[in-house]
Amino acid sequence: NAGVMQNPRHLVRRRGQEARLRCSPMKGHSHVYWYRQLPEEGLKFMVYLQKENIIDESGMPKERFSAEFPKEGPSILRIQQVVRGDSAAYFCASSTTLTGVREQFFGPGTRLTVL
Amino acid sequence: GQQLNQSPQSMFIQEGEDVSMNCTSSSIFNTWLWYKQDPGEGPVLLIALYKAGELTSNGRLTAQFGITRKDSFLNISASIPSDVGIYFCAGRGNSGNTPLVFGKGTRLSVIA
Repeated sequence: NAGVMQNPRHLVRRRGQEARLRCSPMKGHSHVYWYRQLPEEGLKFMVYLQKENIIDESGMPKERFSAEFPKEGPSILRIQQVVRGDSAAYFCASSTTLTGVREQFFGPGTRLTVL
Repeated sequence: GQQLNQSPQSMFIQEGEDVSMNCTSSSIFNTWLWYKQDPGEGPVLLIALYKAGELTSNGRLTAQFGITRKDSFLNISASIPSDVGIYFCAGRGNSGNTPLVFGKGTRLSVIA
């Protein structure tokens, strides 16, 4: 039973390029969350999605950032025209509404470095 | 927005010692969670607390949900070298699948 998978694990981009981060939730999980972690900080919520719907994007910057969770395939966090301040670890978590454990399980993260 | 204050920020302890860390909030949470993060990895859930006053154990770890619902603590007994890492508290104000609010973490170092 595979856990939450994220790729790439490390991503290097130059300023102005686009970054695409992928997240495959745990099998049977239909809720996906994206968090950002700066060095020496805790995780900060960005966006919460269910299949084909954005439920809460209150933590996501209004410009350059977008997220999707299509009916088929992984969830994608997209950062356009990256700047140095976007350098951080981005974590995806998934959960389910089915009975049993309902908590969020995290992936290993994607570490984005903007040169 | 909601914030969690986690303390201490870092700890250096001898192997075998007990450890205690806590988290406080200015607002009420309905769920308290404790995660551990190893370098280069994502957080791993250690303990989940759902009721005020609840005391829950997971091996050498014990956590409690404060009566006021504004705080929680985590204790680790008889620490071992593999306990090294960053421990995060997280809270959720509403029930269900809502986003978590995280503390800034407690960095634990264990000296053998």
